[in-house]
Amino acid sequence: SQTIHQWPATLVQPVGSPLSLECTVEGTSNPNLYWYRQAAGRGLQLLFYSVGIGQISSEVPQNLSASRPQDRQFILSSKKLLLSDSGFYLCAWDGSGYSEAFFGQGTRLTVV
Amino acid sequence: ELKVEQNPLFLSMQEGKNYTIYCNYSTTSDRLYWYRQDPGKSLESLFVLLSNGAVKQEGRLMASLDTKARLSTLHITAAVHDLSATYFCAVDSRAGSYQLTFGKGTKLSVIP
Repeated sequence: SQTIHQWPATLVQPVGSPLSLECTVEGTSNPNLYWYRQAAGRGLQLLFYSVGIGQISSEVPQNLSASRPQDRQFILSSKKLLLSDSGFYLCAWDGSGYSEAFFGQGTRLTVV
Repeated sequence: ELKVEQNPLFLSMQEGKNYTIYCNYSTTSDRLYWYRQDPGKSLESLFVLLSNGAVKQEGRLMASLDTKARLSTLHITAAVHDLSATYFCAVDSRAGSYQLTFGKGTKLSVIP
C-alpha cells in the first residue's frame, strides 16, 4: 500500500535560519507531489507541485523553494526564514489510477 | 482565478439536529472534495465527487454536487459531538491534476 511520510512533525526556528522539510512517498512510482501551507489568515494554499524529478511549479511568490531530487522525494526549503513562513505544511501526492490526492501528517513550523 | 466559498464559516449546533454546509465555486469543474480536519491534525478525506449529480453518504454525512450551479453541499444528519471539526471543500484548479483550491473551512461545534 501507499504511504506518505513527512518530517519533522514540529519545528521551531529563529528568523533568518534555513529550513528543510522532507516528504517521501512509498508504494507508488511517478507520483505528482504537492506542498500546501495552512497559515492563519491565509487558509490552505498550494505552494508547489511537481510532476516529475526536477520539475517544480510554483503557485505563489514567496520566500520558499522546492526540489524533487528523486521520484518519491519532495523537499521544501528556505535560505532565510521569515515570521510569515510560520504555518502548517502539508505534503500530498496523487498518481495514475487515483481519483484524489492523499495528504501527509504535516509539519507545524513556528518561526520565532 | 478559481474561488471557493464556504458558508457558514462557523457553526454551532446541538446534538441531534440537522444542518447543511454550502460550497460555491467560481469556474467550471467536475471534481469536488470534502475534507475533515481535527485540531492540530492533517486533512482526512471524506468525499470525492466526480460528476454532476453525484451524491455520497457516510454515516451522518452526505455530500452532493451540482456542477451546473457550481455548488456542493455537505449535509449533517442528527449531529453528534464526534462530528466537531473543521470541514473544507476543495476544487481542482486544473483538469487532470489535484492542484486544489480550498474554501476557508467551516468550523463545526456540536454541543451536547
